[in-house]
Amino acid sequence: DGGITQSPKYLFRKEGQNVTLSCEQNLNHDAMYWYRQDPGQGLRLIYYSQIVNDFQKGDIAEGYSVSREKKESFPLTVTSAQKNPTAFYLCASSVGGVRTDTQYFGPGTRLTVL
Amino acid sequence: DAKTTQPTSMDCAEGRAANLPCNHSTISGNEYVYWYRQIHSQGPQYIIHGLKNNETNEMASLIITEDRKSSTLILPHATLRDTAVYYCIRGKKSSGDKLTFGTGTRLAVRP
Repeated sequence: DGGITQSPKYLFRKEGQNVTLSCEQNLNHDAMYWYRQDPGQGLRLIYYSQIVNDFQKGDIAEGYSVSREKKESFPLTVTSAQKNPTAFYLCASSVGGVRTDTQYFGPGTRLTVL
Repeated sequence: DAKTTQPTSMDCAEGRAANLPCNHSTISGNEYVYWYRQIHSQGPQYIIHGLKNNETNEMASLIITEDRKSSTLILPHATLRDTAVYYCIRGKKSSGDKLTFGTGTRLAVRP
């Protein structure tokens, strides 16, 4: 089955530690996205990548970093510089480079920083 | 700034049609209306989108008014599994635009 996988579903880290969230897709999509969602809020765009080896900052990129070395993979690192990292993180992909293309989402990773 | 408005919450009875409204303070001629939904603790799911004509697919129907400032998502026979937050989003099909997810409408389907 084609789709997007995110692992793990729940992640706990101590304050001050960097943590990397995994996102893999086998849909052969060019574009991939990372969003953050806080309780009762909508999604906010962190980073996006429209093609391999290229990515752009979204609305709330500070304290996060990404890489896009392979088409299938778009890992997100939450660094210790992110002041309030506890949140639900969602990865998505779409066919082309237009960000309003239909986006397909993974199941999300809920990060809790203690 | 253009603003999209949706009711905070709605409910409907199982088996009945759910009609979810969305209003835009302004909308450009080349801006589409997209609908996504998010079941609790899952990733959002695309439902449907349209420009000015009404649209229908296997999940829902989308009715867009002539001035395009209002749209209604219709789930013809709501089931308990349709309980979710529904997002109405404006967006152009251009590389410079993006999907902006607001807080949406929380739909509760009652047995």
